[in-house]
Amino acid sequence: GAVVSQHPSWVICKSGTSVKIECRSLDFQATTMFWYRQFPKQSLMLMATSNEGSKATYEQGVEKDKFLINHASLTLSTLTVTSAHPEDSSFYICSARPPRAGGYGYTFGSGTRLTVV
Amino acid sequence: AQKVTQAQTEISVVEKEDVTLDCVYETRDTTYYLFWYKQPPSGELVFLIRRNSFDEQNEISGRYSWNFQKSTSSFNFTITASQVVDSAVYFCALSEAGSARQLTFGSGTQLTVLP
Repeated sequence: GAVVSQHPSWVICKSGTSVKIECRSLDFQATTMFWYRQFPKQSLMLMATSNEGSKATYEQGVEKDKFLINHASLTLSTLTVTSAHPEDSSFYICSARPPRAGGYGYTFGSGTRLTVV
Repeated sequence: AQKVTQAQTEISVVEKEDVTLDCVYETRDTTYYLFWYKQPPSGELVFLIRRNSFDEQNEISGRYSWNFQKSTSSFNFTITASQVVDSAVYFCALSEAGSARQLTFGSGTQLTVLP
């Protein structure tokens, strides 16, 4: 149980286009999901906290107009990279906390490798 | 503010050697959780262990063991008799008991086990 499905696994897009990444909790409801970004050979950095039914909370330095987060249901959060540029190429991974984990367990999606050309 | 430090950027060992990955954390909370994750080249994060701040017992799981010492704010991870399949990046992470409860990751340690 406690599976988070993330799609797509990888995507290549042209500079200036937008890309949407989906994160679904398959067998539990997630009121909160987290979006991380990982550049090559670096750690995972929290970009934003996605809250169902309300605005996302962005970390300092993350452009909210560029990285649009929508958490319209208890099982789906989406991250849209708008007007992507090569510097946005990175590994994006989402995470959620299954309720029965006591609020301190985390389940991660398999990640999305974005390449902007 | 919470912080996790993994001072070892890269470690190489020969198969069957033991290896310890260090993790030092900082937090003002008295209630928090510590984690270790493994990230193979494919990128997905593999959960290894979660430990709460009130449980300082060491834990052993097969070839893996963890040493949690609050006195030194450390949560070190040892792999005994390492294998080539253990090659991966290992992350230590911390979650405080605050309302946000997001995970803060260390910078990771790239472990390479040579045959």
